[in-house]
Amino acid sequence: EAGVAQSPRYKIIEKRQSVAFWCNPISGHATLYWYQQILGQGPKLLIQFQNNGVVDDSQLPKDRFSAERLKGVDSTLKIQPAKLEDSAVYLCASSSKGGGGNQETQYFGPGTRLLVL
Amino acid sequence: RKEVEQDPGPFNVPEGATVAFNCTYSNSASQSFFWYRQDCRKEPKLLMSVYSSGNEDGRFTAQLNRASQYISLLIRDSKLSDSATYLCVVIRGSQGNLIFGKGTKLSVKP
Repeated sequence: EAGVAQSPRYKIIEKRQSVAFWCNPISGHATLYWYQQILGQGPKLLIQFQNNGVVDDSQLPKDRFSAERLKGVDSTLKIQPAKLEDSAVYLCASSSKGGGGNQETQYFGPGTRLLVL
Repeated sequence: RKEVEQDPGPFNVPEGATVAFNCTYSNSASQSFFWYRQDCRKEPKLLMSVYSSGNEDGRFTAQLNRASQYISLLIRDSKLSDSATYLCVVIRGSQGNLIFGKGTKLSVKP
């Protein structure tokens, strides 16, 4: 079974530029998550989708970050404009279920490593 | 106070040693608990779930104390391949969002 795919794997941009990351979850997984992992920290949830709807975006900095999952499959995360503090690894994860008491395992992609100069 | 706190590490141990990681969580409404493993420059992967009754998977034993809001992971007979960062993870809320600790780095030396 193919895992979660992400691209690009690495990205270097200057501050105030825009950047977009792409994620293709495991086939059939209804729930998709974007996390930000700053060096030395654990991953922090940015946004959770259930199919094509947003379930939780409470920690997404909406003034500069946006995400979509229009057809309920793959997803893009955009940062516009980027700041130095956005340098991090952006991880996408998917699970076959979301929420409730019967939590399914989240499978993570390899991440996109972003450096903002 | 962070919602999930872990030993800062790093832990440097010789092969064959027993090592224990501790984690505390602040939200008593937390529902489920896990340990994830993250290798250097890799994504996190589920190591094991943590149950109140305690659970064991080979050389790994996880314990949960809900009264003290405390989770532990014990690794016996540590191997070089156990070198990684171990992330304590708590689930809370109706959406089952994962809340990660900062992680504890383990380095097993020959």
